[in-house]
Amino acid sequence: EDQVTQSPEALRLQEGESSSLNCSYTVSGLRGLFWYRQDPGKGPEFLFTLYSAGEEKEKERLKATLTKKESFLHITAPKPEDSATYLCAVRPGYSTLTFGKGTMLLVSP
Amino acid sequence: DGGITQSPKYLFRKEGQNVTLSCEQNLNHDAMYWYRQDPGQGLRLIYYSQIVNDFQKGDIAEGYSVSREKKESFPLTVTSAQKNPTAFYLCASRSGQGSALTYEQYFGPGTRLTVT
Repeated sequence: EDQVTQSPEALRLQEGESSSLNCSYTVSGLRGLFWYRQDPGKGPEFLFTLYSAGEEKEKERLKATLTKKESFLHITAPKPEDSATYLCAVRPGYSTLTFGKGTMLLVSP
Repeated sequence: DGGITQSPKYLFRKEGQNVTLSCEQNLNHDAMYWYRQDPGQGLRLIYYSQIVNDFQKGDIAEGYSVSREKKESFPLTVTSAQKNPTAFYLCASRSGQGSALTYEQYFGPGTRLTVT
């Protein structure tokens, strides 16, 4: 069975305190790993897609990396506006997306 | 501006009533999806459609129905058979054009349904 596990469930950081969120997966035939940001009461906002181990993508203070078993979302010098729930999803084969439960990030000033 | 709209933002219904949630997109995307989000759980797929007049059940289709008569529209009906309908419902779409590897889904703002 395809599984996606995100850790930690919640993370509290001080402004400027860099950290990483983890998304570990067990799927057969990965055809994409996706990161989304979701603000409370809103729909998820697409951030990144990673397709192969070793791939990296960056956007402002966020950097996503991928290995054969997991992906990390690195947040460098976060600001309060980075506070949100970050969702990870995988595409097993040619199937639809399987989502993790998310990591709730709170950045305090 | 291109995007996905869902209406209404909040919806209240009495138990036993059917209710239809609207989803419209002007991105010219081929595929559309309906997800349900509950606290502490990941997004769960209800139904999806890859072309007009065709749709497939997702992981939790029981108690729901959909139609896809137009490319732009994919309404979801929550029937009285759905045992726990109170949830946050999200519609998404995806382009069917370009690389076969491309699979980014773009989400609407969501509809929060409360059934009492």
